[in-house]
Amino acid sequence: GAGVSQSPSNKVTEKGKDVELRCDPISGHTALYWYRQRLGQGLEFLIYFQGNSAPDKSGLPSDRFSAERTGESVSTLTIQRTQQEDSAVYLCASSLQGLMQYFGPGTRLTVL
Amino acid sequence: AQSVTQLGSHVSVSEGALVLLRCNYSSSVPPYLFWYVQYPNQGLQLLLKYTSAATLVKGINGFEAEFKKSETSFHLTKPSAHMSDAAEYFCAVSEEFNKFYFGSGTKLNVKP
Repeated sequence: GAGVSQSPSNKVTEKGKDVELRCDPISGHTALYWYRQRLGQGLEFLIYFQGNSAPDKSGLPSDRFSAERTGESVSTLTIQRTQQEDSAVYLCASSLQGLMQYFGPGTRLTVL
Repeated sequence: AQSVTQLGSHVSVSEGALVLLRCNYSSSVPPYLFWYVQYPNQGLQLLLKYTSAATLVKGINGFEAEFKKSETSFHLTKPSAHMSDAAEYFCAVSEEFNKFYFGSGTKLNVKP
């Protein structure tokens, strides 16, 4: 595709349910990043992939959060037992050499 | 640890007036610095980046930013605001491209 895509664009779930968010990076981009953007706040780094390995998981807020990446392609961010404080826009970005991050449109997650 | 501070969550200027959006960072090593723009209902786009070359960096849409090491600042400016500049602007810092830290954002309003 021409850019980074994310699905779903919107997700409403009930507290305690698990959710999976998907990111399709730009083809050939080796680096992939996940961020969380709470209402009225800046972007909060969650995790970074170089290829399919994640050398830095320090941004994941709790063990309910996990992410994986298949090769240098799709990544999924999974949130288990969702809580209301998980409500946010989850952004994915990819890059070829790190300097230029291309962002997807985000997934707006609402936990009721 | 790195951090980014953007002074002023909302800035309002008249069309044709100078735009100045402030960003200060903390980093233990010379960082890479970025400004991103987020238009309503769109994803983040890179405006400009500093990567240890010239301290005055020119970006898209007439924006520029100056890296001042002594002040640990990377303020964004544009000589003459246009209505189309109304958006939210984010400053970001990175040391090794494996993790990016974003400020909380500044919403720019341009009055006719």
